[in-house]
Amino acid sequence: KAGVTQTPRYLIKTRGQQVTLSCSPISGHRSVSWYQQTPGQGLQFLFEYFSETQRNKGNFPGRFSGRQFSNSRSEMNVSTLELGDSALYLCASSWDSQSSGNTIYFGEGSWLTVV
Amino acid sequence: QKEVEQNSGPLSVPEGAIASLNCTYSDRGSQSFFWYRQYSGKSPELIMSIYSNGDKEDGRFTAQLNKASQYVSLLIRDSQPSDSATYLCAMNSGGYQKVTFGIGTKLQVIP
Repeated sequence: KAGVTQTPRYLIKTRGQQVTLSCSPISGHRSVSWYQQTPGQGLQFLFEYFSETQRNKGNFPGRFSGRQFSNSRSEMNVSTLELGDSALYLCASSWDSQSSGNTIYFGEGSWLTVV
Repeated sequence: QKEVEQNSGPLSVPEGAIASLNCTYSDRGSQSFFWYRQYSGKSPELIMSIYSNGDKEDGRFTAQLNKASQYVSLLIRDSQPSDSATYLCAMNSGGYQKVTFGIGTKLQVIP
């Protein structure tokens, strides 16, 4: 069974540009969530989607957005990139999102460097 | 106060010893608790999940949960150099699949 797949794995962008990251969840998983990991802040929750609806959102500015498609695949977008957006962006998927507390499984992540 | 508190370490233990990793949390409503292991440059991988008070064992790993004390721990028996990694304590908070992570404890197993 394939795991969570994230693309691209590595990318370098310039300040002011925008970036789109893609995530394909584990087959059958309907919840997709996104996290940002930096050395200083650790893993921070960005948002969670289920059935194409955003159900939870973390404390990030509106430059960070996401969406989910009918096949559960998800994308996140960061506009007007800042140097501080350099981070590992992790996508995670979960099986049963009708209840809380299900285990989330991470993809390998997308390493974003903003220069 | 952070929602999930962990000592960032590093925690150094000799090979074959027991490594004890600890975590405290502030949200009494949390029901689901997880330990993830993250090697440098890699993504987190799930080691254990625990939902009820007490101990849960899986091979060399034992997770312990005490909801009254708001405390979660992970014991690694017979520690191996390959266990050297950062261990992230996490819990479900805010409903659905929102998971809050601690900063992680870096474990070093010395051969």
